[in-house]
Amino acid sequence: DTGVSQDPRHKITKRGQNVTFRCDPISEHNRLYWYRQTLGQGPEFLTYFQNEAQLEKSRLLSDRFSAERPKGSFSTLEIQRTEQGDSAMYLCASSLGTGGINYGYTFGSGTRLTVV
Amino acid sequence: GENVEQHPSTLSVQEGDSAVIKCTYSDSASNYFPWYKQELGKRPQLIIDIRSNVGEKKDQRIAVTLNKTAKHFSLHITETQPEDSAVYFCAASRLDTGFQKLVFGTGTRLLVSP
Repeated sequence: DTGVSQDPRHKITKRGQNVTFRCDPISEHNRLYWYRQTLGQGPEFLTYFQNEAQLEKSRLLSDRFSAERPKGSFSTLEIQRTEQGDSAMYLCASSLGTGGINYGYTFGSGTRLTVV
Repeated sequence: GENVEQHPSTLSVQEGDSAVIKCTYSDSASNYFPWYKQELGKRPQLIIDIRSNVGEKKDQRIAVTLNKTAKHFSLHITETQPEDSAVYFCAASRLDTGFQKLVFGTGTRLLVSP
């Protein structure tokens, strides 16, 4: 296991279509995060999982967005009825954490979404 | 919520010069401040971090300083090399909330010319 894997690397979709991205964290990491990064900006937090439980969601995560981590391993992020404003890089990160301590916070290479 | 501001947005230096990037944060409860380097099309990579109980930390050519009273922290790169060219992001976080949500600055594009 060499790091956090994200699939696909690039996705072009038509406005109104649904898309789903996958993140495979480092295997022993129990914490998983999704961020969104638009051009020229820093990543913005979207949501956080501890094992399979989604414990925090940003206001950026509208009703069209849903994330799951069904078995506490890989996670998926789905965007329904995509809009041009959804075009961005979607980054996943994972860490091994207990309480306020986190080890090995690592980002994946991201999925670049383009909505046309 | 936390807000992080970062300056400058672009920085051009000659090889061998020093580079300084500055960030300010708003939430006095933030106690962890990492810096990430992101090359074009690649993942953000942690290059150095500092906790609020420390005022300065060094790692070879890279150093970070923290002023808790003023709520600002800075990245210092000495003897810059062309391979230091990238976008650098500062971030702020709390380590006592049970998870580590990072609030990022807007980034600084560093260009090191040979």
